[in-house]
Amino acid sequence: DTGVSQDPRHKITKRGQNVTFRCDPISEHNRLYWYRQTLGQGPEFLTYFQNEAQLEKSRLLSDRFSAERPKGSFSTLEIQRTEQGDSAMYLCASSLSGRKYEQYFGPGTRLTVT
Amino acid sequence: GQQLNQSPQSMFIQEGEDVSMNCTSSSIFNTWLWYKQDPGEGPVLLIALYKAGELTSNGRLTAQFGITRKDSFLNISASIPSDVGIYFCAGNPNSGGSNYKLTFGKGTLLTVNP
Repeated sequence: DTGVSQDPRHKITKRGQNVTFRCDPISEHNRLYWYRQTLGQGPEFLTYFQNEAQLEKSRLLSDRFSAERPKGSFSTLEIQRTEQGDSAMYLCASSLSGRKYEQYFGPGTRLTVT
Repeated sequence: GQQLNQSPQSMFIQEGEDVSMNCTSSSIFNTWLWYKQDPGEGPVLLIALYKAGELTSNGRLTAQFGITRKDSFLNISASIPSDVGIYFCAGNPNSGGSNYKLTFGKGTLLTVNP
């Protein structure tokens, strides 16, 4: 399977702990996106990379959130000092340069903060 | 920011029936996409639309980019049980530039009774 993969699929953590999620995009895709989805809502944009450059960040991405894509391949999303409000599905997507709006999503990481 | 309104919020239909759902925006969008999401999984891209008036099919699914560029429609013909899921519209208002983030609606939950 050569789709977008995310790890872990589920994460339960206690409030105040740090968590890190990984996303591996489709191999030839140079654009990578992070979205957050809460129950009953559609995905909401968090941040976007073109190769290794982080080009845009949403206001939803507080100072406790940081994302990296060090070699333009996989990406990590870290949340520091987690809060209960961070509980959500974190989705990663990737796209090709020529078809930038056609974003292909991974299965997501379900975060539960207790 | 832009908001997308999807209707209906949910639908309960019998297997074999046709389904129609739509998505409207308060502002003009230059790209419309339709995704399907199963529980616990990421959204799967169904159809992408790039031109006003465009009508595109993918098997039993047909989507249209509204003439006003403020709406889009998705039709599913001869529904089957595996059509069950949440259908999201998504769009981007930009015709160029570097903003590739998608804005999503809240989804239409489709239930198909066999």
